[in-house]
Amino acid sequence: QKEVEQNSGPLSVPEGAIASLNCTYSDRVSQSFFWYRQYSGKSPELIMSIYSNGDKEDGRFTAQLNKASQYVSLLIRDSQPSDSATYLCAVNSVANKLVFGAGTILRVKS
Amino acid sequence: DGGITQSPKYLFRKEGQNVTLSCEQNLNHDAMYWYRQDPGQGLRLIYYSQIVNDFQKGDIAEGYSVSREKKESFPLTVTSAQKNPTAFYLCASSRGSGGGSAYGYTFGSGTRLTVV
Repeated sequence: QKEVEQNSGPLSVPEGAIASLNCTYSDRVSQSFFWYRQYSGKSPELIMSIYSNGDKEDGRFTAQLNKASQYVSLLIRDSQPSDSATYLCAVNSVANKLVFGAGTILRVKS
Repeated sequence: DGGITQSPKYLFRKEGQNVTLSCEQNLNHDAMYWYRQDPGQGLRLIYYSQIVNDFQKGDIAEGYSVSREKKESFPLTVTSAQKNPTAFYLCASSRGSGGGSAYGYTFGSGTRLTVV
């Protein structure tokens, strides 16, 4: 079992819709969770962090965490074509390293 | 502005040659990391360093070497022992040595290495 799992996609949504990206993790002691956005050929960019169960909102982005289910998600409201990218879920692990999922490709169609 | 600088942006390596990728940060971060990314895949950890003069192997350290002589610098050498080095290499840093990953990483712009 991979430590951090994501559906590779692509996830296609129409412009203006809500995009929902999901991630599960295996290490129950993980305390820090991150979402990165990576455009093609570019490096990852941190867009959200979450540490407590529940929702955390920042503009059009909402991160959701459920530690009991070992599940973290990212919602993007009013999706724009510029949101088209690969979204990486990252979870902290032993020795304070981040473990990354393989990423979900999001395509927003205008 | 603070950030992480990776150079060169593109690098071509001949068979049997060692090459060194540069990573410099002015964020005053304690921890630094090297990741490799292959097309359509996630990030795989090569080496990491929590403090100066100390570093640890990651999941795919074979064929790579690093040094951490200064807090700001964490160069990666891809040796001839690395049989499939063509990939996108990412350097990252985070603040705090023990709890570094609690803050997430800041990434450099990456180096794309190709074997010719």
